[in-house]
Amino acid sequence: SQQGEEDPQALSIQEGENATMNCSYKTSINNLQWYRQNSGRGLVHLILIRSNEREKHSGRLRVTLDTSKKSSSLLITASRAADTASYFCATEGDFGNEKLTFGTGTRLTIIP
Amino acid sequence: KAGVTQTPRYLIKTRGQQVTLSCSPISGHRSVSWYQQTPGQGLQFLFEYFSETQRNKGNFPGRFSGRQFSNSRSEMNVSTLELGDSALYLCASSLKIGSGNTIYFGEGSWLTVV
Repeated sequence: SQQGEEDPQALSIQEGENATMNCSYKTSINNLQWYRQNSGRGLVHLILIRSNEREKHSGRLRVTLDTSKKSSSLLITASRAADTASYFCATEGDFGNEKLTFGTGTRLTIIP
Repeated sequence: KAGVTQTPRYLIKTRGQQVTLSCSPISGHRSVSWYQQTPGQGLQFLFEYFSETQRNKGNFPGRFSGRQFSNSRSEMNVSTLELGDSALYLCASSLKIGSGNTIYFGEGSWLTVV
């Protein structure tokens, strides 16, 4: 079963604009991770944010985490055509069970 | 350093048959996990192995099984295939177990059941 939902399900923006994707989850977590998947390929790890962190940056990526609202957002600044992909959040539970539970994903299309 | 390698990349099977998928983790990685991805159910955890022992298992029927060998390579098997087993099967490896480890995914094995 899915841990949560991602919003929006699909997003199309012009190259150079910023893209924001949101993720909501249901249970307590140890950390939340974001992954990118190009069509029909494997997933690439982007960034991990721990439950005691509120914001994290990596290059053009900024992730926020609000554990009180059980939500996270991924911001990609200055988007490029190569950012076109599906983006998934994944949570790791806090029960000593390190399996990842993935969200439903956001399909991002960057229009050149 | 070679990434996670999955074989075969594409295969077509008939209902009722069985299939074995293989995964070679990144050299030195001892944890291997498997996920199933379908348009309807999304990404779902199948199982995780560490040092040849299954540590976690997802909510899948007993037709889905796996194992890990002493060299950390892993296989998963699906018996009595059903149409609904058509999916992308992803293998991932990580250096160790425990919270917060980065896991690295392979390109996946596309299974079509007809």
